[in-house]
Amino acid sequence: GIQVEQSPPDLILQEGANSTLRCNFSDSVNNLQWFHQNPWGQLINLFYIPSGTKQNGRLSATTVATERYSLLYISSSQTTDSGVYFCAVHNAGNMLTFGGGTRLMVKP
Amino acid sequence: NAGVTQTPKFQVLKTGQSMTLQCAQDMNHNSMYWYRQDPGMGLRLIYYSASEGTTDKGEVPNGYNVSRLNKREFSLRLESAAPSQTSVYFCASRDGPNTEAFFGQGTRLTVV
Repeated sequence: GIQVEQSPPDLILQEGANSTLRCNFSDSVNNLQWFHQNPWGQLINLFYIPSGTKQNGRLSATTVATERYSLLYISSSQTTDSGVYFCAVHNAGNMLTFGGGTRLMVKP
Repeated sequence: NAGVTQTPKFQVLKTGQSMTLQCAQDMNHNSMYWYRQDPGMGLRLIYYSASEGTTDKGEVPNGYNVSRLNKREFSLRLESAAPSQTSVYFCASRDGPNTEAFFGQGTRLTVV
């Protein structure tokens, strides 16, 4: 099956810093989503992005499907950004496959 | 708009006991999914239902059964719980292959 790898696995930032999270996938995909899992375990939809770039406030995402990667940018990070960020790819067979996540801690 | 609702939120079982996790969505979605998340790991697909009346195995189906009761509801059953099934279980739904997926709040299951 398709492999989804995220990097870095762990990231510690000072409040106000910027960061880039990466998601690589091993095969062609129909679509891709980014999620934020907050410290209470809730999965929050961030972006649904098959290609191109989208922005939502301090967050933006870019997917280059032909090169099999997606990037999530967090600018001016806040302590509330802490948690785990997952990418998940939609591929053939109506399945949604997750990467291992990037665990982010933002320190005040 | 409740979205995807899972019950219960927490459960403790003894080894060998059975239970059913319930999931319901009110978005009229065709596809529904069950995932498990073990500590420090990503989500792994247990079973999914592409449409009402169909179910298929995912990556880790052993020890589980599912029922797509109707378009709204998709249940996950553990017939004889084992400590290895201690995990957080998430249900998700989406309308089809190229649409956004939405997740429930999770069920934290402990098997002792």
